[in-house]
Amino acid sequence: ILNVEQSPQSLHVQEGDSTNFTCSFPSSNFYALHWYRWETAKSPEALFVMTLNGDEKKKGRISATLNTKEGYSYLYIKGSQPEDSATYLCAFFYSGTYKYIFGTGTRLKVLA
Amino acid sequence: EADIYQTPRYLVIGTGKKITLECSQTMGHDKMYWYQQDPGMELHLIHYSYGVNSTEKGDLSSESTVSRIRTEHFPLTLESARPSHTSQYLCASSEWGAGVATEQFFGPGTRLTVL
Repeated sequence: ILNVEQSPQSLHVQEGDSTNFTCSFPSSNFYALHWYRWETAKSPEALFVMTLNGDEKKKGRISATLNTKEGYSYLYIKGSQPEDSATYLCAFFYSGTYKYIFGTGTRLKVLA
Repeated sequence: EADIYQTPRYLVIGTGKKITLECSQTMGHDKMYWYQQDPGMELHLIHYSYGVNSTEKGDLSSESTVSRIRTEHFPLTLESARPSHTSQYLCASSEWGAGVATEQFFGPGTRLTVL
């Protein structure tokens, strides 16, 4: 069974702090890595779809990097705001199937 | 906002009842998925579909069944609900574009409680 791990499981940061999370996934049969943000009482929403080793994506204050050879991706949030509070999920999509394997997520709480 | 809908949003039923959780999307996506999530746990894939008349079981064993008679509709059925089925069920869809696994769009979820 393929495993996708995220760390840390949860963290609290002060408003204005920068933070980052890690997603570890199998380095073989890689096809794509997705990042999602899941706010309370809402549905998960996609942040990034990453496919190439060395990919860097950015959306406002949030960015992500991808290393497929060693099997990890980092998500960075610069200058965290209370509205960034959410669970951040990564999902590994491996070749030969149409299936996604999700990590357990990182629960972020930004304190005002 | 994603055009993917789930009904009901909340359901409390007794043991032994047959239930169907509805999922519909208006985006014309071929791929549809059902996930189960227990509190504090990851999303587990229980069923997915490549397209009409194709369904597959996911990695998490489930006593539910699905059907895909129309592109837009992917209902999940529990023939005889048990307390162990108490969970949140999320439906999602995606498309395959230019060989890229595009993002999944998620419905609002159904929170099921079986007494």
